[in-house]
Amino acid sequence: KQEVTQIPAALSVPEGENLVLNCSFTDSAIYNLQWFRQDPGKGLTSLLLIQSSQREQTSGRLNASLDKSSGRSTLYIAASQPGDSATYLCAVRPGGGKSTFGDGTTLTVKP
Amino acid sequence: GAVVSQHPSRVICKSGTSVKIECRSLDFQATTMFWYRQFPKQSLMLMATSNEGSKATYEQGVEKDKFLINHASLTLSTLTVTSAHPEDSSFYICSARDRASGGQETQYFGPGTRLLVL
Repeated sequence: KQEVTQIPAALSVPEGENLVLNCSFTDSAIYNLQWFRQDPGKGLTSLLLIQSSQREQTSGRLNASLDKSSGRSTLYIAASQPGDSATYLCAVRPGGGKSTFGDGTTLTVKP
Repeated sequence: GAVVSQHPSRVICKSGTSVKIECRSLDFQATTMFWYRQFPKQSLMLMATSNEGSKATYEQGVEKDKFLINHASLTLSTLTVTSAHPEDSSFYICSARDRASGGQETQYFGPGTRLLVL
């Protein structure tokens, strides 16, 4: 059974800092890994999707990496802004299509 | 990109009533849709997998008679919470897999429905 762990559970940084969020998974036989952002009381916003054959994806200030062999993915946020404050979830999918979500990292960026 | 909608976005109901939540894929056909539930400050938990034209597959611990899922077409799946109770209050999110995505098998998530049972 796939288990997904996100560390840290919560993170508070001053504005402008670069930061890294971690996601680890126990079963490396994945189809893809996806990072989401969730604002309080809202649904999911897809940030980056990494296929199993890829090593990283970039979108603006965000960069996500994937190392299947070690069961790890990182989400790098450059020059953080208060608007980045949210909960960040990673989800791992096997070929069967059922995503397993981590518990999320709640990020607070202080002005 | 592909869009998945949910209706309603928010619903408040009395205990004992039934509530239907719709999940639609707006610009693609979805042979498979997934229903998730999220309690406050917790992650998403998969409730069931819905395949078009067949019975849904429920995860362990999810009551199929309480959470009725119907996937009658390639663009619509519905989740009905029957005889809702306050403990069913939660955030319900659906996702849909694009039939035409071939090897990509990308999933798209709906915006969620917040259910509050009084």
